[in-house]
Amino acid sequence: GQQLNQSPQSMFIQEGEDVSMNCTSSSIFNTWLWYKQDPGEGPVLLIALYKAGELTSNGRLTAQFGTTRKDSFLNISASIPSDVGIYFCAGTENAGGTSYGKLTFGQGTILTVHP
Amino acid sequence: GAVVSQHPSWVICKSGTSVKIECRSLDFQATTMFWYRQFPKQSLMLMATSNEGSKATYEQGVEKDKFLINHASLTLSTLTVTSAHPEDSSFYICSARDSAGAATGELFFGEGSRLTVL
Repeated sequence: GQQLNQSPQSMFIQEGEDVSMNCTSSSIFNTWLWYKQDPGEGPVLLIALYKAGELTSNGRLTAQFGTTRKDSFLNISASIPSDVGIYFCAGTENAGGTSYGKLTFGQGTILTVHP
Repeated sequence: GAVVSQHPSWVICKSGTSVKIECRSLDFQATTMFWYRQFPKQSLMLMATSNEGSKATYEQGVEKDKFLINHASLTLSTLTVTSAHPEDSSFYICSARDSAGAATGELFFGEGSRLTVL
């Protein structure tokens, strides 16, 4: 089945530093999503990408859908303590339709920000 | 914005008992909901797709008789873990998409339900 390889597994950074994480897949995805999960809670969508090459920003977050459709990255600029959490990439083969939502998740990146 | 709510948030039960977890879409209708399981320090794994008015579709390796899914209305899906055992202890998370929205409409996740089986 499809697999997503997310790296790095964890990051320890100082407040104010920039962060970059990425995901690669063994097959083509038509939708890439980036989520943040706080302890004991469900994932919250950060950025959704629907087109190859698409570059989308959400505040200090920027994500890109790789042109090969097999990778994506997420950048966080000027990190702050509340950025702490687990970040997951997720992808789906389907751009729409009833099966949309069958997401394959990466292993997650644990982000720790030191004040 | 759209909200998906799960109940209970956490539950502790004895081995051999059954536990029901509810997933509700609070301000939208969802013909399809998804159930995920997340073990500690691991990623989310899709268990099954819940379809309103029809049988759920289970992912490979997930026992349908063990994890009963009922999607009786457009706003409610339930997951029942039957004869729970300690290895079923996990964080169960549901997600749903607004059926009236665009095909690529946002998928919303519930807060998750933590099950501990003693």
